[in-house]
Amino acid sequence: NAGVTQTPKFQVLKTGQSMTLQCAQDMNHEYMSWYRQDPGMGLRLIHYSVGAGITDQGEVPNGYNVSRSTTEDFPLRLLSAAPSQTSVYFCASNSGGVFNEQFFGPGTRLTVL
Amino acid sequence: AQSVSQHNHHVILSEAASLELGCNYSYGGTVNLFWYVQYPGQHLQLLLKYFSGDPLVKGIKGFEAEFIKSKFSFNLRKPSVQWSDTAEYFCAVTLNTGFQKLVFGTGTRLLVSP
Repeated sequence: NAGVTQTPKFQVLKTGQSMTLQCAQDMNHEYMSWYRQDPGMGLRLIHYSVGAGITDQGEVPNGYNVSRSTTEDFPLRLLSAAPSQTSVYFCASNSGGVFNEQFFGPGTRLTVL
Repeated sequence: AQSVSQHNHHVILSEAASLELGCNYSYGGTVNLFWYVQYPGQHLQLLLKYFSGDPLVKGIKGFEAEFIKSKFSFNLRKPSVQWSDTAEYFCAVTLNTGFQKLVFGTGTRLLVSP
């Protein structure tokens, strides 16, 4: 199994540009999440999904959209990038239930100029 | 709202020194507790977790953590650190309900000098 994969690994955008961060998992997990990691702030939940077709907002959802058309994929869209969105983005998945571990992807380092 | 506090932002130790990283959470209900580690340039990996039972939890690479409910704490310990333990350590908590919406602490950067 590849686990959780993310593309791209690095991205530089100009303010106002849009882009999609890709996330895929091959573990047939129902639950998937997007986090952003900023220095001194830990990881904060952006959006999450508890199954195909079901998404919800996390702690810091503004400026981001998600959709979940399949169990495997959970893309994160930046509609109009801002410098405040410069961060490292992690996707995670788990199979659900309270006793299951979250598996994290390798991250995407995004810089918005 | 839930929150997780990690009081040590940066820790520097020499090899073979003992390690204890503090973690406190604010939630009065039943919680699940985790420690994750992020080695330089890598993604987060689970070190250990507590759901119920014995409050002393053993994880990978010789790490352990003790859940003290009365103190809302879940401190991470290792008797003797190695250079390879240099990493950032995150404490996290979830409510004991359906979806695991992890709430993370701000992290502690550990530097172990050889």
